Amino acid sequence: DAGITQSPRYKITETGRQVTLMCHQTWSHSYMFWYRQDLGHGLRLIYYSAAADITDKGEVPDGYVVSRSKTENFPLTLESATRSQTSVYFCASSEPGVAYNEQFFGPGTRLTVL
Amino acid sequence: EDKVVQSPLSLVVHEGDTVTLNCSYEVTNFRSLLWYKQEKKAPTFLFMLTSSGIEKKSGRLSSILDKKELFSILNITATQTGDSAIYLCAGNAGGTSYGKLTFGQGTILTVHP
Repeated sequence: DAGITQSPRYKITETGRQVTLMCHQTWSHSYMFWYRQDLGHGLRLIYYSAAADITDKGEVPDGYVVSRSKTENFPLTLESATRSQTSVYFCASSEPGVAYNEQFFGPGTRLTVL
Repeated sequence: EDKVVQSPLSLVVHEGDTVTLNCSYEVTNFRSLLWYKQEKKAPTFLFMLTSSGIEKKSGRLSSILDKKELFSILNITATQTGDSAIYLCAGNAGGTSYGKLTFGQGTILTVHP
């Protein structure tokens, strides 16, 4: 399917476990982003990537790791999950050179850390 | 650090009412301001604004930007229950922040029949 997909859509894990959230886009957009959404905070940027093998921290990067070996994939890993990382995670992609610079969002992953 | 603040944080109205959502921003090397609507899923794009004073319209929704006062408003006229959603605004910067968006906290709009 064309577009941007995330997996899994729902995940329950325990404190201290490693979790990887997957993001895949089919548009060949150069930029990809990971956000978390918590009530009262809107969307907060965790990490972003301007191209394959180029990543940079966003507003709330602590406890997360990203990689981007291929343009279409941008996995987000929680190395040792904590309860404060319970959230809804959105992946997005964009091609900033295009007039609108619109970011397109995936369907989200709801993560619960017990 | 770039900052975007939305108000009110929540709003409850009845069908047919008109609402105005506010967004103020402090974004270095400002390029544009975007509005998104989020129902029980991913945000979907509404508008992008780059120039002051030029209203963007889509049906009952309209938005305008004031680059001097650093704010934008989103108006929804004749609200319907389907307008119930979280409305997010985001500032787009250039320079070293090229491509990134800074989001506000969102306004939760509830429209009662």
